[in-house]
Amino acid sequence: EVQLVESGGGLVQPGGSLRLSCAASAFTFSDHFMDWVRQAPGKGLEWVGRIRMKANSYSTEYAASVKGRFTISRDDSKNSLYLEMNSLNTEDTAVYYCARVSMVRGSPLGYWGQGTLVTVSS
Amino acid sequence: DIQLTQSPSFLSASVGDRVTITCRASQDISDYLAWYQQRPGTAPKLLIYTTSTLQGGVPSRFSGSGSGTEFTLTISSLQPEDFATYYCQQLISYPRTFGQGTKVDIK
Repeated sequence: EVQLVESGGGLVQPGGSLRLSCAASAFTFSDHFMDWVRQAPGKGLEWVGRIRMKANSYSTEYAASVKGRFTISRDDSKNSLYLEMNSLNTEDTAVYYCARVSMVRGSPLGYWGQGTLVTVSS
Repeated sequence: DIQLTQSPSFLSASVGDRVTITCRASQDISDYLAWYQQRPGTAPKLLIYTTSTLQGGVPSRFSGSGSGTEFTLTISSLQPEDFATYYCQQLISYPRTFGQGTKVDIK
């Protein structure tokens, strides 16, 4: 069964940095685009960004709210996805989900991890 | 960016009711729309993509329709496990925006 497990969340001060990881299993990780989506406490879903496959030069897309501060990367040899977050502010407090992009028309998010909570507070 | 507006934001319904949720896009997105279900404390789950294609394992009481800028998610007969929040997401351009969500609660 496809599994995505996020880790690395925690409490960080405003202006600080954090690196989230997402460990993938039970599918060929290198064959899939991957997304990050976040959800602030009690709020809706916010798409954060996407990383494509090696065949697409690992190109990335980002939401305007995180562009220039967050970096998505992947290590296909480790079946792992990463989210490097810098210059964090209180508005970045959220549960962060990694999600596997389905390779069907439209590329919806077919599998999600359980999420990891990031709290930005002094 | 494409804005998605869901209505209603909250609805109260009973088991067995037919429920319809609307998602309106700020510009034409053809049929590039997905619906997700999120139960409290859990990750979202894909229900429908490209407007009307049911994800594997999703019960047939869920259906989707629409095109262009107006889309609907219908639950033909609400079951206890369907009480959740539902989100639409456009799949045509970046950023991949979501609607604000519709919470379906027990009447």
